[in-house]
Amino acid sequence: KQEVTQIPAALSVPEGENLVLNCSFTDSAIYNLQWFRQDPGKGLTSLLLIQSSQREQTSGRLNASLDKSSGRSTLYIAASQPGDSATYLCAVTRGGKLQFGAGTQVVVTP
Amino acid sequence: GAGVSQSPSNKVTEKGKDVELRCDPISGHTALYWYRQSLGQGLEFLIYFQGNSAPDKSGLPSDRFSAERTGGSVSTLTIQRTQQEDSAVYLCASSPDPGLYEQYFGPGTRLTVT
Repeated sequence: KQEVTQIPAALSVPEGENLVLNCSFTDSAIYNLQWFRQDPGKGLTSLLLIQSSQREQTSGRLNASLDKSSGRSTLYIAASQPGDSATYLCAVTRGGKLQFGAGTQVVVTP
Repeated sequence: GAGVSQSPSNKVTEKGKDVELRCDPISGHTALYWYRQSLGQGLEFLIYFQGNSAPDKSGLPSDRFSAERTGGSVSTLTIQRTQQEDSAVYLCASSPDPGLYEQYFGPGTRLTVT
């Protein structure tokens, strides 16, 4: 059974510092891994999708890596801003349905 | 273009009543998913439709929950005889192709059972 874990559960950093968010999964037989952002009381916004054959994806200040063999993905957010404050969730998929981690709640202080 | 839309945005109902939640996926997306987000359980998969195939109902928590997708587009999630533990945010997502592409989520329906 697939288990997805995100550590830490919460993180507070000063503005300008780089953010490093971790995601681990127990079953490496995944099709892809997706990172999401969720603001309080809102739905999920997709940030990055990494296919199982890829090692990383980049979008602006965001970079996500994937190491299937070790069951790990890391989301890097460069030069954090207060607007980056949100909960970040990773999810893996095999056969369509997503299985989510519990998320990392991020606060970026001005 | 338009994203995934859900209605209503909020629903308060009395224990024992039936509720229907609606999802309009992104036009052209063949895959449609329902998830539930509650404080104690996090985000969990409920049901998944792909084209004309039989839906994957493996995540439905009880037989009080059912869903249908008409004409390969709009989907309705029905909860019969609601219980307080059904209180949660119900999220719908759609994708051009299951497994290969991003899933795009709607804003959710917050269900409160009193």
